[in-house]
Amino acid sequence: DTGVSQDPRHKITKRGQNVTFRCDPISEHNRLYWYRQTLGQGPEFLTYFQNEAQLEKSRLLSDRFSAERPKGSFSTLEIQRTEQGDSAMYLCASSSLDRGSYEQYFGPGTRLTVT
Amino acid sequence: SQQGEEDPQALSIQEGENATMNCSYKTSINNLQWYRQNSGRGLVHLILIRSNEREKHSGRLRVTLDTSKKSSSLLITASRAADTASYFCATHSIIQGAQKLVFGQGTRLTINP
Repeated sequence: DTGVSQDPRHKITKRGQNVTFRCDPISEHNRLYWYRQTLGQGPEFLTYFQNEAQLEKSRLLSDRFSAERPKGSFSTLEIQRTEQGDSAMYLCASSSLDRGSYEQYFGPGTRLTVT
Repeated sequence: SQQGEEDPQALSIQEGENATMNCSYKTSINNLQWYRQNSGRGLVHLILIRSNEREKHSGRLRVTLDTSKKSSSLLITASRAADTASYFCATHSIIQGAQKLVFGQGTRLTINP
């Protein structure tokens, strides 16, 4: 399977705990994105990498959130001191640098439940 | 914050009928994309229309774009039960940020057999 993969698919954690999600993009894609989606809403942009550089962050990404893409391949999204409001689906997407190629390819998502 | 607004929020039709979903947005765009999401799954890219295009077709899909009205529509012809999903429009704009997509709230489409 050469699509975007995310791990884990589901995560249940208690409030105050830290969680980390992983995303493996399509291998030749050098752009990687994180989005958050709550029930009944469309995805909201969190952050974007081009290779290993984090080029854009949303105001939604509070200081409890950190994302990395250390070697320009896979990425991790960490949430510290989770709150119930963090419960959502976290989606990763990747795309190609080719000019005019604006389509993004999404992974299946990680559903986070904070109890 | 969401830029796009889809209309209707929910649509239920009989198999074989056509389904039309509308999207409005607020800022200037480079392109507008439509995605499909099956329940609890990731999004699948359907079609992209650039700001200088007015209509585009892909199989049973037809997308229109009216930049003067800042609106787009997605038409699915001869609907099938497998088309049941949520459909989102997403805009790409340099103003919004170099590469991010801004999604609407989606239309939940149900095709009844």
